[in-house]
Amino acid sequence: DAKTTQPNSMESNEEEPVHLPCNHSTISGTDYIHWYRQLPSQGPEYVIHGLTSNVNNRMASLAIAEDRKSSTLILHRATLRDAAVYYCILYNFNKFYFGSGTKLNVKP
Amino acid sequence: KAGVTQTPRYLIKTRGQQVTLSCSPISGHRSVSWYQQTPGQGLQFLFEYFSETQRNKGNFPGRFSGRQFSNSRSEMNVSTLELGDSALYLCASRPRDRGANSYEQYFGPGTRLTVT
Repeated sequence: DAKTTQPNSMESNEEEPVHLPCNHSTISGTDYIHWYRQLPSQGPEYVIHGLTSNVNNRMASLAIAEDRKSSTLILHRATLRDAAVYYCILYNFNKFYFGSGTKLNVKP
Repeated sequence: KAGVTQTPRYLIKTRGQQVTLSCSPISGHRSVSWYQQTPGQGLQFLFEYFSETQRNKGNFPGRFSGRQFSNSRSEMNVSTLELGDSALYLCASRPRDRGANSYEQYFGPGTRLTVT
């Protein structure tokens, strides 16, 4: 099974950028990198995904290393509503492998 | 559009019993996936159904089963419940009309199952 490794927790100040790292050294050439986040008492919600090139959307940016063995989710200006568990996931043959995620704490 | 709905939201069962959980996907979504979330194991993929057929399966025992109806609604069944089956069971739907490696899942709020 494809695995991802993330720090257990991170802390950020409100209004500052946050860089959430993810290692996926066993990634295969056809794996897409997905990020989801889970707010307290809710199901996960989609954030962003990519294959090789960096990606941007209204929620975040995804920076993918050239060898694809790591990626970074970037929240440009963290808000209190961004406090959640962020999951880095490899999509492989229609299965999602969720890692343990990073719990992001945002301080006012 | 209404989101993914799951019923019931909370359930308490006794060891040895069986349970059926229900999931209604977003209108137009034909794929439904099920996940188990526990503090110890995190989020684990159970199975995916598409067009009433199981397409993928995670590493769970045969006590965990599911089905999908012609209207895309799905049910998940757990037989002979064990204490370790206590978890949040999440359902997710997606259109599955894009390229196979690029999809965005929409999760429901989950069913909290407690086995005593």
